[in-house]
Amino acid sequence: AQSVAQPEDQVNVAEGNPLTVKCTYSVSGNPYLFWYVQYPNRGLQFLLKYITGDNLVKGSYGFEAEFNKSQTSFHLKKPSALVSDSALYFCAVRDPGGGSYIPTFGRGTSLIVHP
Amino acid sequence: GAGVSQSPSNKVTEKGKDVELRCDPISGHTALYWYRQRLGQGLEFLIYFQGNSAPDKSGLPSDRFSAERTGESVSTLTIQRTQQEDSAVYLCASSETGTSGGSSYEQYFGPGTRLTVT
Repeated sequence: AQSVAQPEDQVNVAEGNPLTVKCTYSVSGNPYLFWYVQYPNRGLQFLLKYITGDNLVKGSYGFEAEFNKSQTSFHLKKPSALVSDSALYFCAVRDPGGGSYIPTFGRGTSLIVHP
Repeated sequence: GAGVSQSPSNKVTEKGKDVELRCDPISGHTALYWYRQRLGQGLEFLIYFQGNSAPDKSGLPSDRFSAERTGESVSTLTIQRTQQEDSAVYLCASSETGTSGGSSYEQYFGPGTRLTVT
């Protein structure tokens, strides 16, 4: 079985400060991990993914995420937040060993960047 | 190229009526997913299509919900005898698929259809 948790409903950060949005997962083997962003009244947009290789993954809009197998985490980070980064962020996991093509999404974290 | 498109963008219907929602995936994407997103909540998986294989209907909440897909193109989600609890945004996504072991490909989402049942 696969599952993912986003422990924070909301993250507040000042513009220019670093931001972190947390995600932890549970799978039986090695995971495929994804981050998506949803702006108001829009569908989800893909940000980045970890499949294999380097634990630090870089994605769109200056975001990056670090895969930590021992802590089963895949936190999303950005060195300097922008007001325009304010949106809803979803982490998703897929267990390739489980044979399912259906990812499990977290409940989402609302990121608010204050000017 | 064009992304995933959905129609209508908004639908208001009376309780008890049937509605049909449409999704046009990205050309060449063999996988297609439908999700429901209630206000302020996460994504609820509904149904998954992969090529000509039998769809995975495990997320459909009741027999009032059904979906079809013609080959690797358009999909329609039908909700019969709509109820107020069906009010939500319905999102469609498509992706490429790999070989056995599970797909590593990301999903591309449409803008959604906002359904309001009065």
